[in-house]
Amino acid sequence: EPEVTQTPSHQVTQMGQEVILRCVPISNHLYFYWYRQILGQKVEFLVSFYNNEISEKSEIFDDQFSVERPDGSNFTLKIRSTKLEDSAMYFCASRRQEAGELFFGEGSRLTVL
Amino acid sequence: DAKTTQPNSMESNEEEPVHLPCNHSTISGTDYIHWYRQLPSQGPEYVIHGLTSNVNNRMASLAIAEDRKSSTLILHRATLRDAAVYYCILRANSGGSNYKLTFGKGTLLTVNP
Repeated sequence: EPEVTQTPSHQVTQMGQEVILRCVPISNHLYFYWYRQILGQKVEFLVSFYNNEISEKSEIFDDQFSVERPDGSNFTLKIRSTKLEDSAMYFCASRRQEAGELFFGEGSRLTVL
Repeated sequence: DAKTTQPNSMESNEEEPVHLPCNHSTISGTDYIHWYRQLPSQGPEYVIHGLTSNVNNRMASLAIAEDRKSSTLILHRATLRDAAVYYCILRANSGGSNYKLTFGKGTLLTVNP
């Protein structure tokens, strides 16, 4: 069964460093998303991406965050200068056109020290 | 986003049916009712969704009240693998690229052997 894959599974970084989290969505999917979950808290929407542009973003997704689809397969989330409060599990998700469900990856755990 | 109310936790025995309730009294006429679940240390997983009629798939059934102000997710025979947090989410049918899921705290389902 096709799945969304994310790398790395866990990244530890120092505060102020740049981090790139990578995702390979399911191949025929056209809509891409990032969510995050701080330990013990709710899953929160960050951003949605379609047709090479952001279609919606949350208040969390400030200027420190960016997304990119650099080629036909990868979808990346970049955090320019990480803060302690960026420590969380980051989930990538994708959806095919006109479909009802999102497919989530296993997540990338980011720890900012 | 319209709000949903779910019990914080429920318990079931293996191989017995489980009925997970969700109240959504402020649902609008075009909101879809989605259920996702999150197994420990994994990303959310789609379970089922519906609009007005009851729905069945290989994972579960969704029973929607006639006035749509509540719904029930039914797992016909719970297994240990069904132990997870179950989220009932209303998704506005805004179409196209706007497909934001707002997760609440969900119901933590414990399945006893």
